[in-house]
Parts: sequence; C-alpha cells; structure tokens
Amino acid sequence: DAGITQSPRHKVTETGTPVTLRCHQTENHRYMYWYRQDPGHGLRLIHYSYGVKDTDKGEVSDGYSVSRSKTEDFLLTLESATSSQTSVYFCAISETAGTNQNIQYFGAGTRLSVL
Amino acid sequence: GQSLEQPSEVTAVEGAIVQINCTYQTSGFYGLSWYQQHDGGAPTFLSYNALDGLEETGRFSSFLSRSDSYGYLLLQELQMKDSASYFCAQEGSSYKLIFGSGTRLLVRP
Repeated sequence: DAGITQSPRHKVTETGTPVTLRCHQTENHRYMYWYRQDPGHGLRLIHYSYGVKDTDKGEVSDGYSVSRSKTEDFLLTLESATSSQTSVYFCAISETAGTNQNIQYFGAGTRLSVL
Repeated sequence: GQSLEQPSEVTAVEGAIVQINCTYQTSGFYGLSWYQQHDGGAPTFLSYNALDGLEETGRFSSFLSRSDSYGYLLLQELQMKDSASYFCAQEGSSYKLIFGSGTRLLVRP
C-alpha cells in the first residue's frame, strides 16, 4: 500500500468552526489531491497540488483552502465549516500525473460531520 | 464541465461475467481509468486505457473505444468479494481525474 496517512480519521465539529485535515505521504510523489465523496456524486475534486507551494482549484473548491509547504504534507482547511461540508474526504497521491497514465493512490479517508 | 455516465447499480451471480459501461466526454481526453471501492474503504486503482482495445489484468479487463467515447470494465468469474463500487475516471489535459458517480455491483450466491 502507498504510504498515505490521513488525520484525523473521524471528526465532529460545529458549524462556523475552522477545520484542518492533514494528508501525509512517505512516497515522495509530486502530485497530491483532495476529494470529497458524497452519496450519488462519486469523488469530486476539491483542490490539488503539483508541487510544493503549487496548488490549484478543483470543481468544488468554494469554502476550502489548501497548503503544501513540503512535499510530504498537503493540508485541507475548511475556513468556517458548514453542514453541507459533512462528507468523507479522501487524499490521493500520484507520481504519474501528466504522463498520460494518472494512477492515483488513496488514503483511508476522513469522515467529517458538521453539526 | 466534464461528466461521465455509468449505471448506478448492477447485480450478478457468483461465477458469472459482468460488464460495467462508461461513456465520457471527448474534450481533453487522454485516458480512462477504473477504480474499485469497497464499503467503508478507499478507492483502489484497477486498470487504465489510453488506446483503443482491451487491457487484461487477471479476472478484470478494461476496454476503450475512443471513436465511441465509451469504455467498459469486464469482471469474469465473479466472486462475492467483488461486491463493491466501481468508478470510471477520465484523465484530461491537466493533472486531474474526473470521476463518474460509480456503479454499485452486488454479487449474489
């Protein structure tokens, strides 16, 4: 299994509070991604990174920000959590993105509940 | 935006063969991937097609027809452990994958 660790694995928070999810990899892969997964929607990309301090938005980026200050860590922050952000969040890494074979390896996920 | 279409649910019998179809949009298409996800688990990579034709990996095969903007995942000799959700994902011109909403496969004894 790819060395990807997401923390925390579960979190319950209140509306309006900031929340930060962490993705840590030991594979030294260049590309990192944050997805959310909701019933009926599959995996939707929030933000992604193609290098240290290089990030870009995905299709559902509103209300989220990211930071990548070193290769191994990619942080996802919910600035002010809302109930609509209750979801399962997955981090993924890839070394082959951009080579016409973007194989992604996923972390175990973080289940976030916003009350 | 780009979207992929796949059936929401498929049911098959243990030992049988099942095909899960996926249609995609052609703009910025580089390749089609397939991922498996068991309930409560993380998605795992199964197969990738960049060119037309069939790719075989054990009991699983994936097919692509670029002219039809269509692909499928073929699962042979179905086992109970194959019960899971299967996602097709389109690789575009950036470093991103666009995932379909998934097909839930139920394998019955």
